[in-house]
Amino acid sequence: DGGITQSPKYLFRKEGQNVTLSCEQNLNHDAMYWYRQDPGQGLRLIYYSQIVNDFQKGDIAEGYSVSREKKESFPLTVTSAQKNPTAFYLCASSMGGDITRVNTEAFFGQGTRLTVV
Amino acid sequence: QKEVEQNSGPLSVPEGAIASLNCTYSDRVSQSFFWYRQYSGKSPELIMSIYSNGDKEDGRFTAQLNKASQYVSLLIRDSQPSDSATYLCAPFRGYQKVTFGTGTKLQVIP
Repeated sequence: DGGITQSPKYLFRKEGQNVTLSCEQNLNHDAMYWYRQDPGQGLRLIYYSQIVNDFQKGDIAEGYSVSREKKESFPLTVTSAQKNPTAFYLCASSMGGDITRVNTEAFFGQGTRLTVV
Repeated sequence: QKEVEQNSGPLSVPEGAIASLNCTYSDRVSQSFFWYRQYSGKSPELIMSIYSNGDKEDGRFTAQLNKASQYVSLLIRDSQPSDSATYLCAPFRGYQKVTFGTGTKLQVIP
């Protein structure tokens, strides 16, 4: 089945610890995204990547890092510099591309719920 | 001005009524628009895509797009309690980020 897989589903982080959230897709999508969602709030963009070995900061990139070494994978590291990391993290992918392109919908993984303990 | 604006709600409608959800966006570059539904604690799922001005119907859902007014809407006919969720609007801007509105919470009252 084609789709986006995020792991783990639940993650607990100790103060001062770095943790990495996994996101893998087999949809052959060029673009991948990471969003953060706090309770009762909308989606805020952390990082996005339109092509392998390239990525851009979103609206709330401080305290996070990413890599895009493979088309299928876009892991997110939550560093100790992120002071309030408890949130629901969502990874998405899309075909991306030119503004006139159709079928550019973004599809989401099931999310990772991160809690600081 | 926010890139994408939606009324946060909650929007309450009785079962069987039409629910109308609205979204405005700030730039004229966007050509494609998507509506997502998100149940509490779950990830968003795509329910409608629209690329051209006018209406697009899919079952009980109708998306309406007016690029001149920078406005997109979603109508849900014969609303059901299972439609109770948050609805997110997202314009696509090509080689750029996909930005979501904050979403409108819909409550369908049995």
